[in-house]
Amino acid sequence: SQQGEEDPQALSIQEGENATMNCSYKTSINNLQWYRQNSGRGLVHLILIRSNEREKHSGRLRVTLDTSKKSSSLLITASRAADTASYFCATDEVGAQKLVFGQGTRLTINP
Amino acid sequence: EAGVAQSPRYKIIEKRQSVAFWCNPISGHATLYWYQQILGQGPKLLIQFQNNGVVDDSQLPKDRFSAERLKGVDSTLKIQPAKLEDSAVYLCASSLGLGRWDTQYFGPGTRLTVL
Repeated sequence: SQQGEEDPQALSIQEGENATMNCSYKTSINNLQWYRQNSGRGLVHLILIRSNEREKHSGRLRVTLDTSKKSSSLLITASRAADTASYFCATDEVGAQKLVFGQGTRLTINP
Repeated sequence: EAGVAQSPRYKIIEKRQSVAFWCNPISGHATLYWYQQILGQGPKLLIQFQNNGVVDDSQLPKDRFSAERLKGVDSTLKIQPAKLEDSAVYLCASSLGLGRWDTQYFGPGTRLTVL
């Protein structure tokens, strides 16, 4: 079963603009992670945010977590063509020892 | 540092045939994962090993899927017999430990098409 639901399913923006993707989940979590998948490739870990954290930054990435709303957002600032990929949130549920991935947001950056 | 290796990269078979995938994790990584990713969906965990013991195989269709990790290093995933709905990308990942803070490193995947 998949816990996270990403929104939107697809996003197309111009290079240089900011991209925001959202993830909602259903149960209590220990942490939430974001991964990127380029076409035909495996997933690459981007960032992990713990359940007691509200915001985290890594380069051009900013992740927020609202455990009361069971939601997270990933912001990519100053987007580049190389950011074109699918982005997945994955939750580490309390009581489980595995990650559960959402269905992903397909991001296209137009030059 | 070498990444997670998988082979083959692509496989086409007919339904009811058998197929096997191989994964070599990053050296020293204790935990190995097999995921199934159907087109347009996120990866779904099939089985998780720590060293050569199974941690979680609750979503593995055990009537047709099997996996082993002999000697706690590389692993094989087998499907016998394959069904049309098994068409997917099979991803292998590894992590240093089993802790929830451990980053999972993914291989490039094997794309399986069942005709």
